Amino acid sequence: EVHLLESGGGLVQPGGSLRLSCAASGFTFIDYAMTWVRQAPGKGLEWVSTITGSGTGTCYADSVKGRFTISRDNSKNTLFLQMNSLRAEDTAVFYCAGGYSRSSEFVYWGRGILVTVSS
Amino acid sequence: SYVLTQPPSVSVAPGKAAKITCGADNIGRESVHWYQQQPGQAPILVISNDSDRPSGIPERFSGSNSGNTATLAISRVEAGDEAEYYCQVWETSTEHWLFGGGTKLTVL
Repeated sequence: EVHLLESGGGLVQPGGSLRLSCAASGFTFIDYAMTWVRQAPGKGLEWVSTITGSGTGTCYADSVKGRFTISRDNSKNTLFLQMNSLRAEDTAVFYCAGGYSRSSEFVYWGRGILVTVSS
Repeated sequence: SYVLTQPPSVSVAPGKAAKITCGADNIGRESVHWYQQQPGQAPILVISNDSDRPSGIPERFSGSNSGNTATLAISRVEAGDEAEYYCQVWETSTEHWLFGGGTKLTVL
């Protein structure tokens, strides 16, 4: 059975940093591109960033480019999102998701983790 | 930039059919995916590549895509289908994923 478990969320002050992790199991992690999607309270889904299975290719939404960094450790089946210079508008539930390639649909989803940016 | 437009809400009586649209310029040239999100839960994929139904998704769910509109159709709607539905497209020119704004399906 596939599991994606996010961790590392919480409350952080504006301008601060946070690192999210997503532990994967039940599938061959390296064969899947991985993505972070977020959802602000009461709002719709917003794509954040995607990384290829090998980790050599990344892409970012304009709203986070230059502030967030996606990475992965295939030896530990773990996806990361380093978030710097956080703003109030980054407050959201962050989901990790997996797809066959970076341009393929998201077949696996985690349960999500809440990030709150507030003073 | 490319924008996916969904109606904010659709209402349907139990047992009837529902259609949720996703509009954009020449969306028929793109592969459209659809996700269902129940309140407080993570999204799940219900239709991929315009009309493919993943394993475990009821046959009542179907999709189509032509011209400027992609459509998610749900036949014989049940109370458990009440959820938010999102369309999604990969924008090749920018290497960005796009989501529609979401449609709240209400079962009357």
